[in-house]
Amino acid sequence: DTGVSQDPRHKITKRGQNVTFRCDPISEHNRLYWYRQTLGQGPEFLTYFQNEAQLEKSRLLSDRFSAERPKGSFSTLEIQRTEQGDSAMYLCASSLGLGQGDTQYFGPGTRLTVL
Amino acid sequence: GQQLNQSPQSMFIQEGEDVSMNCTSSSIFNTWLWYKQDPGEGPVLLIALYKAGELTSNGRLTAQFGITRKDSFLNISASIPSDVGIYFCAGRETSGSRLTFGEGTQLTVNP
Repeated sequence: DTGVSQDPRHKITKRGQNVTFRCDPISEHNRLYWYRQTLGQGPEFLTYFQNEAQLEKSRLLSDRFSAERPKGSFSTLEIQRTEQGDSAMYLCASSLGLGQGDTQYFGPGTRLTVL
Repeated sequence: GQQLNQSPQSMFIQEGEDVSMNCTSSSIFNTWLWYKQDPGEGPVLLIALYKAGELTSNGRLTAQFGITRKDSFLNISASIPSDVGIYFCAGRETSGSRLTFGEGTQLTVNP
């Protein structure tokens, strides 16, 4: 399977715990994006990387959230001191980042439940 | 966060009927995308549109990029039960890379 993959698919945690999600983009895709989706809503942009560089961050990305893409391949999204409001589906997408070729393909998501 | 206006919110149709949904925005977009999402899964790309006025088909699906660059529609012809799901429009502004999504159209197809 050469699509975007995410791990884990589901995560249940207690309030105050830290969690980390991983995303592996489509091979050779330079851009990697993180979105958050709550029930009944469309995905909302969090941040994106061009290779290793984090180029844009949404105001939704509070100080408790940090994303990395150290080698320009996979990315991790960490949430510290989780809150119940962090419960959502966290989606990763990747794209070639070449003008009209900048079409984003999504992974299956990580469903986070904070108790 | 910013959302596109997508309508209708839900549709209940009989198998074989045609379906139409649309999105409007106050911002000008240089790209419109249509995705389908099944429960517990990520959005799957259906159609990508890059030029104002562009009309693109993918099997029974047809989508158009509005001339004003502020709207797009998606048509599904001769619906089948596997068309059930949530359809999202998404747009990208000229100045950025982020996608802005509509709130989705929940489609139910009765056999």
